[in-house]
Amino acid sequence: EPEVTQTPSHQVTQMGQEVILRCVPISNHLYFYWYRQILGQKVEFLVSFYNNEISEKSEIFDDQFSVERPDGSNFTLKIRSTKLEDSAMYFCASSELVSLAPLTDTQYFGPGTRLTVL
Amino acid sequence: DAKTTQPTSMDCAEGRAANLPCNHSTISGNEYVYWYRQIHSQGPQYIIHGLKNNETNEMASLIITEDRKSSTLILPHATLRDTAVYYCIVISGNTPLVFGKGTRLSVIA
Repeated sequence: EPEVTQTPSHQVTQMGQEVILRCVPISNHLYFYWYRQILGQKVEFLVSFYNNEISEKSEIFDDQFSVERPDGSNFTLKIRSTKLEDSAMYFCASSELVSLAPLTDTQYFGPGTRLTVL
Repeated sequence: DAKTTQPTSMDCAEGRAANLPCNHSTISGNEYVYWYRQIHSQGPQYIIHGLKNNETNEMASLIITEDRKSSTLILPHATLRDTAVYYCIVISGNTPLVFGKGTRLSVIA
């Protein structure tokens, strides 16, 4: 069964360093998302991406964050200068986009990358 | 904020049916009810979704009341591996999922 994959599974970095988290969405999916979950807290939406541009973003997704689809398979989240409070699990998700709003498409999540900022 | 209300936690004996309720009294006509679960800190796992009719798949059944203001997720024969946090989410289109705190289901041997 197709699944979303993410690398690395765990990333440790120093405060102020740049990190890139990678995701390979399900191959025929066209809508991509990043969510994060700080330890013990809710899963929070960061950004959605469709047709090579950001579709929607949350307040968390500030200028330190960027997303890119560098090729036909990868979807990346870059944090330019990491802060201690960026430590969290980061989840990528994708959906097929077979339905037009208001119909909906199921989002499928990857296993996550645990980011630890020291 | 999440548009749903769920109990904080529930216990279920292994092998018995687990019935997880969800209130979504402000649901609008074009919003679907989705259920996900999260085991430990793994990625949320899709379970099932529905609009008006009851739905069943290999994982679970979803019962939606006629007025659509509440629903129940049923795991027919709960196992220890079903211990997880279960999230009920209402959504339309490709808008972001809004996760609440969910229900922590503990399946007990």
